[in-house]
Amino acid sequence: DAKTTQPNSMESNEEEPVHLPCNHSTISGTDYIHWYRQLPSQGPEYVIHGLTSNVNNRMASLAIAEDRKSSTLILHRATLRDAAVYYCILRDAWGGSEKLVFGKGTKLTVNP
Amino acid sequence: DGGITQSPKYLFRKEGQNVTLSCEQNLNHDAMYWYRQDPGQGLRLIYYSQIVNDFQKGDIAEGYSVSREKKESFPLTVTSAQKNPTAFYLCASSMRTTGNNEQFFGPGTRLTVL
Repeated sequence: DAKTTQPNSMESNEEEPVHLPCNHSTISGTDYIHWYRQLPSQGPEYVIHGLTSNVNNRMASLAIAEDRKSSTLILHRATLRDAAVYYCILRDAWGGSEKLVFGKGTKLTVNP
Repeated sequence: DGGITQSPKYLFRKEGQNVTLSCEQNLNHDAMYWYRQDPGQGLRLIYYSQIVNDFQKGDIAEGYSVSREKKESFPLTVTSAQKNPTAFYLCASSMRTTGNNEQFFGPGTRLTVL
């Protein structure tokens, strides 16, 4: 199964941009890159996903490397409410939910 | 409002007892999932269902059972065969199981076995 590697923790200041990296060197051509985040004692929340091109939505941007072996989640202006654990996950385009793997993620701390 | 509900939020049981966790969704999603999360760890897939009356084992299905008699409901039973059942249990759903579909998560049930 294709796996992802993320830093254990990152720190940012409020209202500054945050770039959360994810390495997925064994990604297959049919894997989507998903990002979720989880606040303490809550269920994960979908953030964004993409296949090859960069993606933007109201929450964040996703920058995908040309070779697709890495990606970066960009929070343009961090707020205290963005403090969470961020998970980078690969999902096969053709299904097979047993392939979904949540690692330990990156714990983001936002300083006021 | 559409979403996923899990009940109860906190659950306490004595060792050796079976316990059933509820999960309901009104999003009209075909696929539903159960995950387990231990402190400081990521989520691990227990079972998933792509359609009514069908379900598949995930990575850690031993000691658990599920049913999918209705599209909107996917209850999880933690049996006495589960060696270490104390954990945070999360239910999720998605339109399909294919990779272009996001998953929506419930608020979770924290199970403590005494």
